[in-house]
Order: sequence, then structure tokens, then C-alpha cells
Amino acid sequence: GIQVEQSPPDLILQEGANSTLRCNFSDSVNNLQWFHQNPWGQLINLFYIPSGTKQNGRLSATTVATERYSLLYISSSQTTDSGVYFCAVAQGGSEKLVFGKGTKLTVNP
Amino acid sequence: EADIYQTPRYLVIGTGKKITLECSQTMGHDKMYWYQQDPGMELHLIHYSYGVNSTEKGDLSSESTVSRIRTEHFPLTLESARPSHTSQYLCASSDGGAGNYGYTFGSGTRLTVV
Repeated sequence: GIQVEQSPPDLILQEGANSTLRCNFSDSVNNLQWFHQNPWGQLINLFYIPSGTKQNGRLSATTVATERYSLLYISSSQTTDSGVYFCAVAQGGSEKLVFGKGTKLTVNP
Repeated sequence: EADIYQTPRYLVIGTGKKITLECSQTMGHDKMYWYQQDPGMELHLIHYSYGVNSTEKGDLSSESTVSRIRTEHFPLTLESARPSHTSQYLCASSDGGAGNYGYTFGSGTRLTVV
């Protein structure tokens, strides 16, 4: 099956810093999503982005499908951005998402 | 606000008990999913449904079963709970309308079997 690799596995920032999270996948996909899991376990959908670029406030994402990677940018980080960021993909006509292992982000005040 | 609801939020239960984890959504989504997540780990798909009376097993083998009698309701059942079933169970749904296949997740059920 498809492999999803996220980097870095852990990231520690000071409040106000910017960061880039990366997601590499081993085969072509037609569905790619980024999620934030807060410390209480709730998963929030950040982006549905199988290709192209999207922005939502301080967050933006870019997927280059032909090169099999996606990037999540967080600008002016806040302590509430802490948690685990997951990338998930699906292939063909399937909507069954395969998740990466996540990037654990800690933003210190 | 949440449009997909899971109950209970936390459950501690003894070995051998039968349990049902509830998941309901008010968005009219046809597709629903159950994922299992151990602490600090990635999510693994254990069941999915593409509509009423449609259920399939996911990539991770699970002793649980599911049913989909109504569009809005997708409960998961363990006939005989064991300590190895201790995990977080997350329910999700997706629509696909207007080309948006984004998932919406519930808050999850943290199950502990003692």
C-alpha cells in the first residue's frame, strides 16, 4: 500500500516563529488532507488539498502531486498551535485515508 | 460546533463485557469511517461505510463489528472486550459534494479495558 512519511517527527518553536511541515507519499494520490490533533485528542481538518495551494489565516498548504509531496506552513505560531499535525492520503476512487505518523509541534510562550 | 457526535467520551470496562460505541452525524454524509489510534501513534482504518446497509473492513484487522441501518448512525460493537482493545476510537464522515472530500471527525472515545 501507499506509504506516507512526515517530517520532522518533532518540532519545538518559540511563539511567533514560522515553520514548515512536510509530507511525502510513495504513489499518486487524488485526496490529501492535513489535520491538527489538539492535546485533548480532537482532530480538526485544516485542508483538503490534493493539488495546488490554499491559505486559511496563518496556515497555508501546498501540494505538488507530480513530485509526491505536500507542505504545511504555519506563520507567527501561537501556543494554541501545539499538538500533532497529520497528513493523510487516498488513491484512485477510494476515499479511505491512510495517515502518516504525524509531526508533534510544541509552541512555547 | 461538532456535527458528528461520539459517545461515550471515556469508557472503562471490565474484560469480557459487550460494548457499543456510538457515532452520529447530522450532515447527511453517505460515507462514514472508524479509525483506531493508540497513544502517540497514527490512525488506522478499521471499518468504513459508503451508505446504508454498506459496511466493509478496513486495513487494520479488528474484532469489532459495525452496522449502518440509518445514514446518520454508525455504531461500533465489541462483543467481548479485552485489554488489547484499549485504544482511542475515532469516527469520521465525508461527503464529496462540490468536490470537497474533507473528513469531519468526532471527539473520539477513549476505551480502557481492565
